[in-house]
Amino acid sequence: EDKVVQSPLSLVVHEGDTVTLNCSYEVTNFRSLLWYKQEKKAPTFLFMLTSSGIEKKSGRLSSILDKKELFSILNITATQTGDSAIYLCAVEAWGNAGNMLTFGGGTRLMVKP
Amino acid sequence: NAGVTQTPKFRILKIGQSMTLQCTQDMNHNYMYWYRQDPGMGLKLIYYSVGAGITDKGEVPNGYNVSRSTTEDFPLRLELAAPSQTSVYFCASSYPTGGANYGYTFGSGTRLTVV
Repeated sequence: EDKVVQSPLSLVVHEGDTVTLNCSYEVTNFRSLLWYKQEKKAPTFLFMLTSSGIEKKSGRLSSILDKKELFSILNITATQTGDSAIYLCAVEAWGNAGNMLTFGGGTRLMVKP
Repeated sequence: NAGVTQTPKFRILKIGQSMTLQCTQDMNHNYMYWYRQDPGMGLKLIYYSVGAGITDKGEVPNGYNVSRSTTEDFPLRLELAAPSQTSVYFCASSYPTGGANYGYTFGSGTRLTVV
């Protein structure tokens, strides 16, 4: 059974801090790893990672994948209160009927002023 | 371009009632999915479809049914609602393979409470 585990479960930091969120996985037929940010409603897409060692960056957010050790990290530098959200990691794998997403349980980040 | 549209946004059901959660997408995506998200948890796959007329069970299919008569629509049916089905339900769609437009698009969710 495919498995995605995120840590920590929750995190409280102050504005300006840097945070690192972790995602480890065990899947058969890995295709890609995706990071999402979820505030009040539907998850919004952040990054898709398919290759090891290549950092993806968007503003203060960055992410990298290690396909040998089966994990990814999401870094947020100079955190702001608007970064408060649940961050979801999902792994896409090829199944019998095509590609499927398995989600981790999420990391709840709270950024205090 | 509307993306993925879910209705209703909120619903309260009594135990034993039935209802259909509607999902429609206008991106011509082959793949569609139903997820549920319990408080403080990640998303769990209920059912998915790889194209019109083809559906399959996900991780937590019990108590639900789906159909896919068209590419655009993927309704989720609850026949005998139970309190354990209190959750937020998300519909999503995607292309089956990578490309410039690759990615999953989520609907805004349906918050269902069974009392």
